[in-house]
Amino acid sequence: GAVVSQHPSWVICKSGTSVKIECRSLDFQATTMFWYRQFPKQSLMLMATSNEGSKATYEQGVEKDKFLINHASLTLSTLTVTSAHPEDSSFYICSALLGNSPLHFGNGTRLTVT
Amino acid sequence: TQLLEQSPQFLSIQEGENLTVYCNSSSVFSSLQWYRQEPGEGPVLLVTVVTGGEVKKLKRLTFQFGDARKDSSLHITAAQPGDTGLYLCAGENTGNQFYFGTGTSLTVIP
Repeated sequence: GAVVSQHPSWVICKSGTSVKIECRSLDFQATTMFWYRQFPKQSLMLMATSNEGSKATYEQGVEKDKFLINHASLTLSTLTVTSAHPEDSSFYICSALLGNSPLHFGNGTRLTVT
Repeated sequence: TQLLEQSPQFLSIQEGENLTVYCNSSSVFSSLQWYRQEPGEGPVLLVTVVTGGEVKKLKRLTFQFGDARKDSSLHITAAQPGDTGLYLCAGENTGNQFYFGTGTSLTVIP
């Protein structure tokens, strides 16, 4: 089946630094990837839709200058959390759309900002 | 953002009991998915429903899509401890964007 790989699984960074999270589709090309954020015991909140070769579409309330998304190829989308603060600590999950199939999810990245 | 409300938010039941989780919205979706998520992992797809009124069964799980494609339900028969997890519905809009429900945390006690 379709596999989405996310890296890293865990990351701890200091306040003020930037962190890059990668999302790769391993055995298929994904023109569209999605980035979600999940706080403990809560559901997934869509942050942005990433389209290969074009600018990402951000959901209302998500700062595009803080959460930089780059979808430079059909198999890779990256999310960079810039100038991270403790309140950015969360579980970030990417997913990819394969044709009309349901979403395929990565295993998520646990970000802790100290 | 299209809001999907799930109820109940938390559910703790004894092994062998039945339960139903509801997913409601004021928006119409082209499809609706149900996922189960374990702590620290990404959601795992259980089922996709597309047609209004559609009913799908997956072993002890029964999924129903509302006639108007705005709501859905998940019924589990004879729950087992292995069913414990966070259950999420997700609606797909016409722009192929997926919005998740508020989630239902299920605990099945042996």
